[in-house]
Amino acid sequence: GAVVSQHPSWVICKSGTSVKIECRSLDFQATTMFWYRQFPKQSLMLMATSNEGSKATYEQGVEKDKFLINHASLTLSTLTVTSAHPEDSSFYICSASPGGGGQLTDTQYFGPGTRLTVL
Amino acid sequence: AQTVTQSQPEMSVQEAETVTLSCTYDTSENNYYLFWYKQPPSRQMILVIRQEAYKQQNATENRFSVNFQKAAKSFSLKISDSQLGDTAMYFCAFGADSNYQLIWGAGTKLIIKP
Repeated sequence: GAVVSQHPSWVICKSGTSVKIECRSLDFQATTMFWYRQFPKQSLMLMATSNEGSKATYEQGVEKDKFLINHASLTLSTLTVTSAHPEDSSFYICSASPGGGGQLTDTQYFGPGTRLTVL
Repeated sequence: AQTVTQSQPEMSVQEAETVTLSCTYDTSENNYYLFWYKQPPSRQMILVIRQEAYKQQNATENRFSVNFQKAAKSFSLKISDSQLGDTAMYFCAFGADSNYQLIWGAGTKLIIKP
């Protein structure tokens, strides 16, 4: 149980284009989803936290107009990188928490990640 | 503010040996959770083990166990009978906020040698 999928697994795009990454919780409802960015050989950097039906909360330094997050349902969150530039190239990972006050409310389950390369 | 420190950037052991990864944290919270996640070369983050701070008993999951010392704010991971598939980055994480954000350590690269 607690499987999170992420699509696409890798994407190459031209500078100036937009890219959408989907994150789905397959066997549980995710009250909260998180988007991370990971640079090579580094830890995870939280970009934003999203709760279903409300606006995402962005971490300091993350441009909300550039990284659009939509958490439209309890099983789907999307991250859109708008007007992508080479410096946006990175590994993006989503995670989801069941919420609901159960024992594993606080546990984050991760998607497999998306490698974005902007040319 | 909470912090998580992993002081071992890299470790390597022979297959079948036991290895302990260290993690310390700093917090003023009383109720919190601690996690160890594994990230193999595939980069998929996998939950290894979870510990609630209010529980005195150390969590165990098969070959994985923790030594949770609340007063010392220490949360080490012990891997027994290590296997080649245990080769990965291991991240220690702390959670206490109501929005379930995690504070992450820098990670320890563990290499299991045949």
